[in-house]
Amino acid sequence: AIQMTQSPSSLSASVGDRVTITCRASQDIKNDLGWYQQKPGKAPKVLIYVASSLQSGVPSRFSGSGSGTDFTLTISSLQPEDIATYYCLQDYDYPLTFGGGTKVEIK
Amino acid sequence: QLQLQESGPGLMEPSETLSLTCTVSGGSISISGYYWGWIRQPPGKGLEWIGNIYYSGSTLYNPSLKSRVIISVDTSKNQFSLKLTSATAADTAMYYCVRRVTRPEYFDSWGQGTLVTVSS
Repeated sequence: AIQMTQSPSSLSASVGDRVTITCRASQDIKNDLGWYQQKPGKAPKVLIYVASSLQSGVPSRFSGSGSGTDFTLTISSLQPEDIATYYCLQDYDYPLTFGGGTKVEIK
Repeated sequence: QLQLQESGPGLMEPSETLSLTCTVSGGSISISGYYWGWIRQPPGKGLEWIGNIYYSGSTLYNPSLKSRVIISVDTSKNQFSLKLTSATAADTAMYYCVRRVTRPEYFDSWGQGTLVTVSS
């Protein structure tokens, strides 16, 4: 199975800060990667698919980039409502595998 | 507005079969272009994909669970179901039913989740 390594596992940033989360795949997954946001007590929801496509309704401060093995999720200006855990998911091959998650908190 | 709703026992004994149903409303389960599936999350931990099913009945399972998992679909009821045999405490988790877009592939809709606890 493809291993997905996310970093950092947690971060604390101030409102308005630029936040970057990275995900590394154990093999080339082309651009078959999605990013999901999970707020406390809620189901995850998709933010980004195929590495850089923004899901309808998601604020434009979220963006994704990367291909091959290295991917990035960027929040251009952190907002209080962005407090959540973020997961990457490789959609390239079965079994589908998630990264371990990055918990984002407000400083 | 598509909605997915999980249902099933919240507490079960070890060695029993975990059984959950997902009822889909606001859209047909028989539409092409989507898979239906299950993802779980142990308390305080990350996400694990369990398996997918197409409305035709074709399935894909996580090899780590494949020997214990059956996912089935009932198009007449607009539902799909999960059965996980020989449950242990390690199967205690929030279980989410999901819809997966096929091209490109991603999970676009999630149920609210249902917590299943396996304990004697």
